[in-house]
Amino acid sequence: KNEVEQSPQNLTAQEGEFITINCSYSVGISALHWLQQHPGGGIVSLFMLSSGKKKHGRLIATINIQEKHSSLHITASHPRDSAVYICAERNEKLTFGTGTRLTIIP
Amino acid sequence: DAGVTQSPTHLIKTRGQHVTLRCSPISGHKSVSWYQQVLGQGPQFIFQYYEKEERGRGNFPDRFSARQFPNYSSELNVNALLLGDSALYLCASSPGGGWLSNTGELFFGEGSRLTVL
Repeated sequence: KNEVEQSPQNLTAQEGEFITINCSYSVGISALHWLQQHPGGGIVSLFMLSSGKKKHGRLIATINIQEKHSSLHITASHPRDSAVYICAERNEKLTFGTGTRLTIIP
Repeated sequence: DAGVTQSPTHLIKTRGQHVTLRCSPISGHKSVSWYQQVLGQGPQFIFQYYEKEERGRGNFPDRFSARQFPNYSSELNVNALLLGDSALYLCASSPGGGWLSNTGELFFGEGSRLTVL
């Protein structure tokens, strides 16, 4: 059983919609990562956070340490946001979720 | 500035062969980690090296080994290849130390796609 659970597994939305991707983890962490992977395979790190909230452009990441839960939000979604979004918990090693495939339709 | 570079980008091997994958971290980064991503799944942690020492190992057989050189570049070696080793192998670098340190964002390379026939 994966220690990091993401939901939904797949998400299709219209351009402009507000997107939320959820991540739950099971153990104490030093940090949680949100990553973006495009079809070619390359991974871009979006956020690393250990508490509270971070914002970068249209992306917002939040984490609740007590509930062991993190969310990634995308405001005013755009087709170029279409990708797989992966969360990963960081403690003694890095453990990844299985990813959420996001498709934004123009 | 160059990002994390990996080579080769694609390669095809047959069962039983050996493969060496290479990774050059971002200049100034002393930590390199390796991941295996099988098609349709999330990455799995293989190794982390910091200052040329192994700092972490995932649940992979001894056929998998790695090392880090004085210039902080790294090699991942896989012996006696199996069909199930077909995957995208990703390398990431960060300036920080071990995983329990929350310093150091991760920067990934584009990966080496290995196909074992």
